[in-house]
Amino acid sequence: KAGVTQTPRYLIKTRGQQVTLSCSPISGHRSVSWYQQTPGQGLQFLFEYFSETQRNKGNFPGRFSGRQFSNSRSEMNVSTLELGDSALYLCASSSSGRRKETQYFGPGTRLLVL
Amino acid sequence: DQQVKQNSPSLSVQEGRISILNCDYTNSMFDYFLWYKKYPAEGPTFLISISSIKDKNEDGRFTVFLNKSAKHLSLHIVPSQPGDSAVYFCAASAQQAGTALIFGKGTTLSVSS
Repeated sequence: KAGVTQTPRYLIKTRGQQVTLSCSPISGHRSVSWYQQTPGQGLQFLFEYFSETQRNKGNFPGRFSGRQFSNSRSEMNVSTLELGDSALYLCASSSSGRRKETQYFGPGTRLLVL
Repeated sequence: DQQVKQNSPSLSVQEGRISILNCDYTNSMFDYFLWYKKYPAEGPTFLISISSIKDKNEDGRFTVFLNKSAKHLSLHIVPSQPGDSAVYFCAASAQQAGTALIFGKGTTLSVSS
């Protein structure tokens, strides 16, 4: 099985712009979670989607949003980019979205905001 | 406030010796813990997990120990190999947080040959 894929792998944007990141989970997986990794804060949970519904949300401002499609692919959008949004954005998928199920991570999208 | 802490940013070990990576947590509601390994330019890879009803879980060279009273867990790698050189993240899960994992900031392990 192919692993979790994320596109694009690298992205440079300027402040005030918006960005959309994409995540394709492992085939058959229905849960997709997004995490932000920064040197200062480490890995932080953004939100989780399951069957096209946001089921869980971390402590991030409303500029961060997401959605999931019927094929379980997910997108994350960040509007009005700030310098502090520069980070590695990781998505993770799991089969049934049960809490103690292993989450498999993609390679991430590295976003640089100038 | 950090709920999962990995107080050692780095650890250096010789090949063949034991690597011990430590993790402390503050939230007593955490009942499931995981370790992930991350190489540069790759996403974290799941290594091993442990439920709070156990105090030890083994998988090959990797063993995780959980001390609930001390709110402490550790990952032992025996024997350590150069390919184990990576960043290791401890993560925790609680019922009220759903599937969200709370991660520590990681420990960089360097195994020299």
